[in-house]
Parts: sequence; C-alpha cells; structure tokens
Amino acid sequence: GNSVTQMEGPVTLSEEAFLTINCTYTATGYPSLFWYVQYPGEGLQLLLKATKADDKGSNKGFEATYRKETTSFHLEKGSVQVSDSAVYFCALTSLKAAGNKLTFGGGTRVLVKP
Amino acid sequence: ETGVTQSPTHLIKTRGQQVTLRCSSQSGHNTVSWYQQALGQGPQFIFQYYREEENGRGNFPPRFSGLQFPNYSSELNVNALELDDSALYLCASSSRQMNTEAFFGQGTRLTVV
Repeated sequence: GNSVTQMEGPVTLSEEAFLTINCTYTATGYPSLFWYVQYPGEGLQLLLKATKADDKGSNKGFEATYRKETTSFHLEKGSVQVSDSAVYFCALTSLKAAGNKLTFGGGTRVLVKP
Repeated sequence: ETGVTQSPTHLIKTRGQQVTLRCSSQSGHNTVSWYQQALGQGPQFIFQYYREEENGRGNFPPRFSGLQFPNYSSELNVNALELDDSALYLCASSSRQMNTEAFFGQGTRLTVV
C-alpha cells in the first residue's frame, strides 16, 4: 500500500535560516505529491504540489521537487520567518487509491525563533 | 467563493455516546472526504463521498458512517464512542470533474471522556 515517511521534529531554527524537511514515499502507480501546512488551531492548507516526476512545486518561498528515482519530495525554504512556524505534512494520492484518498506522513513541527 | 466549513468546532462526549459532525463543501465541489487526526499524528483517511454514495473507505470500523446530501454537504457519524476516538476530524472537499486538489476545513476537535 501507499505510505509516506517524513523526518520527525521538532525542528528549531533561527529566523533567516535554511529549512529542509525530508519526505520519502512508497506508492503504487504514479502518485501526485503534496505538502500541506497546519498552523496552530487550524486545518490543513495546501502549500505546494507536483503531479509527475521532475516537477517542482513552489509557493511562498517553499520548493519541493518530485524525485521518482529516490522516491522523495523534500521541502526546502532558503530563509525562514517566524510566521513559518507550523506543522508540515507530506502527502500523496494515486489514481489507484480508493476515493483518491490522501496518505499523509506523520508531520514535522517547525519552530522558528526570532 | 465560500470555503469548507465544519461544525461544531469543539465537542465533548462521553464514552458510549453517538456524535454527528457536519461539513459544508466549498462552492463547486462535489466530493467530500473525512479524515481523523490524532494528537501529534498525520491525518488518516476515513472515507469519501461522491454523488451521495460512499466512494472509498479507510481502515475504520462500521461504527464510523457518513452521509452526503444533494447540496454536497456531508455528515460523519460515530456510534459507541471510545476514548481513542478523541481527535481532530477534518473534512476536505474537491471536484472530481475539475480534478482539483483537496481543500480542508478547520476541523472539529472531539474529546471523548
């Protein structure tokens, strides 16, 4: 079945530091890959996505590249801000998944200090 | 354009009771999925509704059931509540025809005591 593994947190950074959150996956077929962000007390917001190999998703300074050969979709941001403090979830969906369900990783909490 | 809205935002129930959670999908979306997010974990897929029928189900027992209405809104019902049912329940809507990604509501925080 499908699964997503992402690095455990918390990740604590200083403002303007470089952020990387590793994500690897196992899936049948050709999945679409996503990063969602969850701010305290809120639901999930789509941060970026990539639907095929070598695609790069980007949004708000965050980037992730779909690497089929390493089954990875690592999230990066060159200079984080305090407002980036949140929990980040890597997720996938594949056409073969029942109801196009999203399979999530366990989440990585990021704390950015001023 | 209205987003996905869920009600109530918080709920406390006693073990053994039944609960109904509600979700209004985003305008133009005809597919609703429900997820359970235990504290400190990633969301787990419960089931999805499309055209008022269940269309895919995760590894949840039958006491988790749902409905979708003609206006695409949805309910999640949980019978015989257990302590482990305490979680954030998330609803997500999407459009199958437009192949959109899922948009999530704020969630309902259920506490079973």
